[in-house]
Amino acid sequence: KQEVTQIPAALSVPEGENLVLNCSFTDSAIYNLQWFRQDPGKGLTSLLLIQSSQREQTSGRLNASLDKSSGRSTLYIAASQPGDSATYLCAVTLAGSNYKLTFGKGTLLTVNP
Amino acid sequence: SAVISQKPSRDICQRGTSLTIQCQVDSQVTMMFWYRQQPGQSLTLIATANQGSEATYESGFVIDKFPISRPNLTFSTLTVSNMSPEDSSIYLCSVEWTSGRQTQYFGPGTRLLVL
Repeated sequence: KQEVTQIPAALSVPEGENLVLNCSFTDSAIYNLQWFRQDPGKGLTSLLLIQSSQREQTSGRLNASLDKSSGRSTLYIAASQPGDSATYLCAVTLAGSNYKLTFGKGTLLTVNP
Repeated sequence: SAVISQKPSRDICQRGTSLTIQCQVDSQVTMMFWYRQQPGQSLTLIATANQGSEATYESGFVIDKFPISRPNLTFSTLTVSNMSPEDSSIYLCSVEWTSGRQTQYFGPGTRLLVL
């Protein structure tokens, strides 16, 4: 059974800092890995999607890496802003699972002005 | 992209009652999903709902407790039946979307508290 773990569970940083969120998964036979952002009352927003054949994806100040063989992904946020405060979720799609996502519990990020 | 709405956004219910959550999408989609997020836990898939067929439930979830309807390609409902305090969660629907890349779009969620 695929298990996804995210570390840390919570993180508080001052504005402007660069930070790294970690995600690990137990089964390396994945189709892709996604990072989502969850805001209260607004559902989830997909930030970055990395296919199993890719090593990283970038969008603006966000960079996500994937090491499938070791079962790890990191989300790097550069020059953090208070608007980045949210819960960040990592989710994997197992190969052949018909698009079923397995989520971690998330990292609650607070960026202080 | 797909825009998804859910009703109600939140509710407080008494144990033993049932609540039906609606999910509306602004585009026709084949696959819709229902997730549960219990306090402090990860999102867990309840079932996959395809139009014209019975919903497929994940291990630990049964149709009698979580009946699902999918009458057309833009709408689905999830009913939480005979509720207990352990059903207090956020319930989210999502849709599979492929446009350049495959991803899922999520609704805003329904926050349920069972007393």
